[in-house]
Amino acid sequence: QQQVKQSPQSLIVQKGGISIINCAYENTAFDYFPWYQQFPGKGPALLIAIRPDVSEKKEGRFTISFNKSAKQFSLHIMDSQPGDSATYFCAARGAAGNKLTFGGGTRVLVKP
Amino acid sequence: KAGVTQTPRYLIKTRGQQVTLSCSPISGHRSVSWYQQTPGQGLQFLFEYFSETQRNKGNFPGRFSGRQFSNSRSEMNVSTLELGDSALYLCASSFSGGDYGYTFGSGTRLTVV
Repeated sequence: QQQVKQSPQSLIVQKGGISIINCAYENTAFDYFPWYQQFPGKGPALLIAIRPDVSEKKEGRFTISFNKSAKQFSLHIMDSQPGDSATYFCAARGAAGNKLTFGGGTRVLVKP
Repeated sequence: KAGVTQTPRYLIKTRGQQVTLSCSPISGHRSVSWYQQTPGQGLQFLFEYFSETQRNKGNFPGRFSGRQFSNSRSEMNVSTLELGDSALYLCASSFSGGDYGYTFGSGTRLTVV
């Protein structure tokens, strides 16, 4: 059962543009929502994370928007750069443990 | 500061064999989690260890097992390998598994032939 749904599966954006990735979850017990960036041959690296009592969090060019009532959250990458080309995963952590449930991933390609 | 170290990086095994993968967490981190990554199923949680005790377990068959040592290093074992076990196995460490975040290693690429 996929408890975190991520869209789109892939995304092409021009350099300087905005990349937007969306995730929706079902389990209201989730209490921590991180985003990870993964390059080929590497493990996922934590980008930014948010808790459900916060509606937005910004770190540099990366912003998470969180809508608790809709059970949705999204990642915005501002001023996208070719170096941002990677696969991005949203995730959610269950309140009962430290298991991360991941979305299916979004492959982002930033064209110069 | 050293990151999460996983060994070996690549492994080729024959169906029916068993395999042991190793993970050395970041110094001071006591929580170690294991994930399987495949193109079809994505990233799936295997199990988490904290202070040598399994704290959480995912929906994988009993052929998948793990353990954690007193120095927080962890191993996972897969017995009676199947072709479908071919995947990237990732280890993630955290101070306690809370809001400190999880740091992933580069993984072990297991190919079962």
